Amino acid sequence: SAVISQKPSRDICQRGTSLTIQCQVDSQVTMMFWYRQQPGQSLTLIATANQGSEATYESGFVIDKFPISRPNLTFSTLTVSNMSPEDSSIYLCSVGGRSSYNEQFFGPGTRLTVL
Amino acid sequence: GQQLNQSPQSMFIQEGEDVSMNCTSSSIFNTWLWYKQDPGEGPVLLIALYKAGELTSNGRLTAQFGITRKDSFLNISASIPSDVGIYFCACLSGTYKYIFGTGTRLKVLA
Repeated sequence: SAVISQKPSRDICQRGTSLTIQCQVDSQVTMMFWYRQQPGQSLTLIATANQGSEATYESGFVIDKFPISRPNLTFSTLTVSNMSPEDSSIYLCSVGGRSSYNEQFFGPGTRLTVL
Repeated sequence: GQQLNQSPQSMFIQEGEDVSMNCTSSSIFNTWLWYKQDPGEGPVLLIALYKAGELTSNGRLTAQFGITRKDSFLNISASIPSDVGIYFCACLSGTYKYIFGTGTRLKVLA
């Protein structure tokens, strides 16, 4: 499986500000995914990020709130914009497996707290 | 919308006991994955199931893909303290999109 790192690992932010989360993979991957995990909850897909094209957002998530960049095949960023306490969550990036995109592997996550 | 329900929601067991948890859906899915999430970490893939009726093992873990393609179970044999965590099932919905179950929190008492 790919080795995935995220920065920052955690942050505490003031409402109204924005935070950009970075995801770095140790190999080239076509598709990267961003998930949100609210406190005590399961994982929800925010968007799929393909290199060279606009991200595809899931229902309930919009580009203005969660802009995503995918400048190359090993890197992606997710920005949480104009944050409110409801945005306090763990944000996770994931990639498909080398042998099968049917297997997804996750980064360690970014724990965000909004005051 | 599509939803995966896991049971039990949480469980406390004694070290050395066997554990069984399951995941059910009202929809048919053709790919089922089981993940474990430790506190402060991302989910780690345990087992992937691709064929209805398939039984797959990974060490002390065994998972089965239900014949109706609407459920799966995960068994852990001879539990140890490091088995503690949250176990999620996930199903492939669409080309690359996964939906995740509600999770089963496992606590092991030494």
